[in-house]
Amino acid sequence: GAGVSQSPSNKVTEKGKDVELRCDPISGHTALYWYRQSLGQGLEFLIYFQGNSAPDKSGLPSDRFSAERTGGSVSTLTIQRTQQEDSAVYLCASSFRTSGSVGELFFGEGSRLTVL
Amino acid sequence: GNSVTQMEGPVTLSEEAFLTINCTYTATGYPSLFWYVQYPGEGLQLLLKATKADDKGSNKGFEATYRKETTSFHLEKGSVQVSDSAVYFCALIGQAGTALIFGKGTTLSVSS
Repeated sequence: GAGVSQSPSNKVTEKGKDVELRCDPISGHTALYWYRQSLGQGLEFLIYFQGNSAPDKSGLPSDRFSAERTGGSVSTLTIQRTQQEDSAVYLCASSFRTSGSVGELFFGEGSRLTVL
Repeated sequence: GNSVTQMEGPVTLSEEAFLTINCTYTATGYPSLFWYVQYPGEGLQLLLKATKADDKGSNKGFEATYRKETTSFHLEKGSVQVSDSAVYFCALIGQAGTALIFGKGTTLSVSS
């Protein structure tokens, strides 16, 4: 597609369940980012993938959170044993990043997660 | 570490009013600075950017100047429209950084 695609757009789950959120970046973009947007908290960086380099996981809030990016394209963010405080909108972004420039980030419309 | 602080909202203005949304940052070296906008029901999109001191980013009538001496990147528009109602995020990426760091966002509401 033309833009960053995320699925599901809405997910309601019960506390303790695992969830997977998917991101399909813009074709050809080398960098992929996950952010979490909570009310009043702005956008919290979670994880960043660039090409074949090891991902920057410094923003993941706990070991219940993990992400992978297969084939340099699609990414999945997994939250295990979900807690109510995980409720938020999870945003994915991609960019064409070189060593000299970060490039413009293009965002998907997000996956809204509600943990009951 | 790097951080961004922007004025809390909501900011409520009448059409054609002057807008300023303050943004200050903390970073080592020379970060690149950005303003992103999120219109109702839409994804975040880049509004403008500046990559070095004294640069002015501009787009859609909005402007922001990279002020190294005051570590600021305030967003301004001379005459706002109802269609400018959105959430505005100031952001930076550090000189050696990987991730774009965002402020908490400022909600702007413009009435006719």
